[in-house]
Amino acid sequence: KAGVTQTPRYLIKTRGQQVTLSCSPISGHRSVSWYQQTPGQGLQFLFEYFSETQRNKGNFPGRFSGRQFSNSRSEMNVSTLELGDSALYLCASSYLGDSPLHFGNGTRLTVT
Amino acid sequence: KNEVEQSPQNLTAQEGEFITINCSYSVGISALHWLQQHPGGGIVSLFMLSSGKKKHGRLIATINIQEKHSSLHITASHPRDSAVYICAVVGSNYQLIWGAGTKLIIKP
Repeated sequence: KAGVTQTPRYLIKTRGQQVTLSCSPISGHRSVSWYQQTPGQGLQFLFEYFSETQRNKGNFPGRFSGRQFSNSRSEMNVSTLELGDSALYLCASSYLGDSPLHFGNGTRLTVT
Repeated sequence: KNEVEQSPQNLTAQEGEFITINCSYSVGISALHWLQQHPGGGIVSLFMLSSGKKKHGRLIATINIQEKHSSLHITASHPRDSAVYICAVVGSNYQLIWGAGTKLIIKP
């Protein structure tokens, strides 16, 4: 069974641009959650999607948005990038919300 | 006060020592995760618990629902166990609430 796949692995953008990150969950998993990790900050929860609906949302500004498709693949979009958005963005999938979590390797975003 | 508290924040031990990392939470949960993240690496799920105890190799996780407390134990610790260990609980509406993590260093 293929694991959680995140693309791209690395991304360099400039301030003001927008970016879209992709997460393909394990086949059959319906929940996809997104996290931001910066040095010293730990994991910060962005949002969780379940069956194409946003079920939970963290405390991030509206520049951060996401969606989930009917095949459970999810995308995360950040508009008007700021330097502080430089981070490792991780997604995790699970069958339901309280099933074992499987993480992708992350997308490392650098904003210059 | 955070809803999920981990202790200690940092732990340094010698190879072979028995390690305990604690996680206390203040909300009702349906499950609790223990995860591991190596430096620069991805996150690996170690256990998901809703009651009792689970064991995998040298790792043991326990949970006491009444006391709202879970522990992760590592027996015969090894330098390759050095990582950040994270506790996360599944609260209402399947929302994950994360602890701040425990950074473990095992010295040879």
